[in-house]
Amino acid sequence: AQSVTQLDSQVPVFEEAPVELRCNYSSSVSVYLFWYVQYPNQGLQLLLKYLSGSTLVKGINGFEAEFNKSQTSFHLRKPSVHISDTAEYFCAAISGNTPLVFGKGTRLSVIA
Amino acid sequence: KAGVTQTPRYLIKTRGQQVTLSCSPISGHRSVSWYQQTPGQGLQFLFEYFSETQRNKGNFPGRFSGRQFSNSRSEMNVSTLELGDSALYLCASSLGFVVNTEAFFGQGTRLTVV
Repeated sequence: AQSVTQLDSQVPVFEEAPVELRCNYSSSVSVYLFWYVQYPNQGLQLLLKYLSGSTLVKGINGFEAEFNKSQTSFHLRKPSVHISDTAEYFCAAISGNTPLVFGKGTRLSVIA
Repeated sequence: KAGVTQTPRYLIKTRGQQVTLSCSPISGHRSVSWYQQTPGQGLQFLFEYFSETQRNKGNFPGRFSGRQFSNSRSEMNVSTLELGDSALYLCASSLGFVVNTEAFFGQGTRLTVV
């Protein structure tokens, strides 16, 4: 069964600094990958998704992620974060007919 | 267009009671999925419905059940509530298979069992 691991539960970073949120998945057979963001007391919003094609995926709010099949990773990056990026970020995967499987989440705290 | 609507937003119930949560998907969306979110376990899949048929079911006890109506609205029911059922319950809707279409999430129903 597919599983998703987010290696960092919390990531503090200063405003305007770059950030990388790490995500590893277990199965590379026909896997589709997603990053979602959750603001306090809100549902989840899709940031970006990888289905096929270019391994570098660009999303909303200046985020991008790179699919690396050999390392079974899908890390999320942003070159310069803002206070408004403070939120919880979830990596998720689908493989075959399974539903979305989520990682435990990474809480990004942007410090002024 | 209106987003995914979940009602109620907040709910407090007593152990042993039952509860019904509602989800109205985006107009035209036929797929509805439910997730339970807790600090310890994260987001766990409950079930998915497409055109009134349950397509997938997560690893939850039989106390958790759901259904989807012909207008795609969905309800989930939890019977004999336990303290551990306290969680944020999220509903997501999509046009069809989430791989090919984006899943839109509601704001969730926060259930507290006392």
